[in-house]
Amino acid sequence: LAKTTQPISMDSYEGQEVNITCSHNNIATNDYITWYQQFPSQGPRFIIQGYKTKVTNEVASLFIPADRKSSTLSLPRVSLSDTAVYYCLVGDLNNDMRFGAGTRLTVKP
Amino acid sequence: DGGITQSPKYLFRKEGQNVTLSCEQNLNHDAMYWYRQDPGQGLRLIYYSQIVNDFQKGDIAEGYSVSREKKESFPLTVTSAQKNPTAFYLCASSFSTGGNTEAFFGQGTRLTVV
Repeated sequence: LAKTTQPISMDSYEGQEVNITCSHNNIATNDYITWYQQFPSQGPRFIIQGYKTKVTNEVASLFIPADRKSSTLSLPRVSLSDTAVYYCLVGDLNNDMRFGAGTRLTVKP
Repeated sequence: DGGITQSPKYLFRKEGQNVTLSCEQNLNHDAMYWYRQDPGQGLRLIYYSQIVNDFQKGDIAEGYSVSREKKESFPLTVTSAQKNPTAFYLCASSFSTGGNTEAFFGQGTRLTVV
């Protein structure tokens, strides 16, 4: 199972773009990269998932370089409501959904 | 509405008592998971099940037990052997345990043991 490393915390201001990078040096060929968001006292919710290059949805973009050893979650124009913990998961065919400590993002006015 | 439901939202128990947390899903998902979350910490995997009548231990299974008799249900029992059971417990489900899986989470049960 590929281990992931993320910054423990990040601060930003409203309206800025936020980029959170996740390192996964041991990513395997069949692994996908998935990001979740968690608000206090709630279960995490799916944000975005990708395998390579770039994926974009209405909430975020996910950038994955060619070697796939890292990935970057990009949140455009954050607001106060984006303050949350963001988790990066890397899964294989026997994925057992193990979460790391995540990145605590604080958006300031 | 389709979803995953945990009950109760808050649970209080006396030390030494076993307690069972409920998790039900109507998403027709094969895989289900239980996590524990302590204040300011990430999620730690307790148990997971890929199919009915089968489950595997996660990283912190000691003091916990599960069953998977029905596809829709994956109850977690916190036994008296669990040294520090007070925590926030989260249940999740997904179509499979493949790498391109998206998991759906319940709203959690906050267990307090006094």
